[in-house]
Amino acid sequence: GAVVSQHPSRVICKSGTSVKIECRSLDFQATTMFWYRQFPKQSLMLMATSNEGSKATYEQGVEKDKFLINHASLTLSTLTVTSAHPEDSSFYICSARGLQNNSPLHFGNGTRLTVT
Amino acid sequence: AQTVTQSQPEMSVQEAETVTLSCTYDTSESDYYLFWYKQPPSRQMILVIRQEAYKQQNATENRFSVNFQKAAKSFSLKISDSQLGDAAMYFCAYRSGSNTGNQFYFGTGTSLTVIP
Repeated sequence: GAVVSQHPSRVICKSGTSVKIECRSLDFQATTMFWYRQFPKQSLMLMATSNEGSKATYEQGVEKDKFLINHASLTLSTLTVTSAHPEDSSFYICSARGLQNNSPLHFGNGTRLTVT
Repeated sequence: AQTVTQSQPEMSVQEAETVTLSCTYDTSESDYYLFWYKQPPSRQMILVIRQEAYKQQNATENRFSVNFQKAAKSFSLKISDSQLGDAAMYFCAYRSGSNTGNQFYFGTGTSLTVIP
């Protein structure tokens, strides 16, 4: 089945530093990838839609200068949390959809970010 | 935007029994896809089952089946012979069937407890 690899699974960083999270589709091409944020015991909140070769589309309320998304190839999207603050601590999940119209979302394992 | 509603924040079921999780959605489209995802404590999102709206037959995957009522915009998940490993958060999701309909809309989730 389709596999999405997300790295790192856990990261602890100091306030003011930047953190990059990678999302790779291992066995399929994904022109579109999605980045979600999930708070404890809550649903997934879509942050942005990452489009290969073009700018990401951000959801309302998500700062594009803080959450930089790069989708450089059909198999890789990165999310960089810049100048991280403790309130950015959260669980971040990437997902990708295959090219077929009825393809489901395939999710990475998520990244637990802790900003100290 | 489409909305997906899961009215049961928490459910419990006795091991080996059957449980039904409810999901309703709001849309004006006729072509769309519906999904149930499971998120165990590991937080990995796992696809449980999917349904194409144009198919009248309810989808089935082993112990998991859906009751898809298109007119009522209802998409419930039935888990038969519940097992301890079924304990997880379950999310219902909707996606437009149009080529430009990339976004998945998730419900707020139902936390399922399986009682030994």
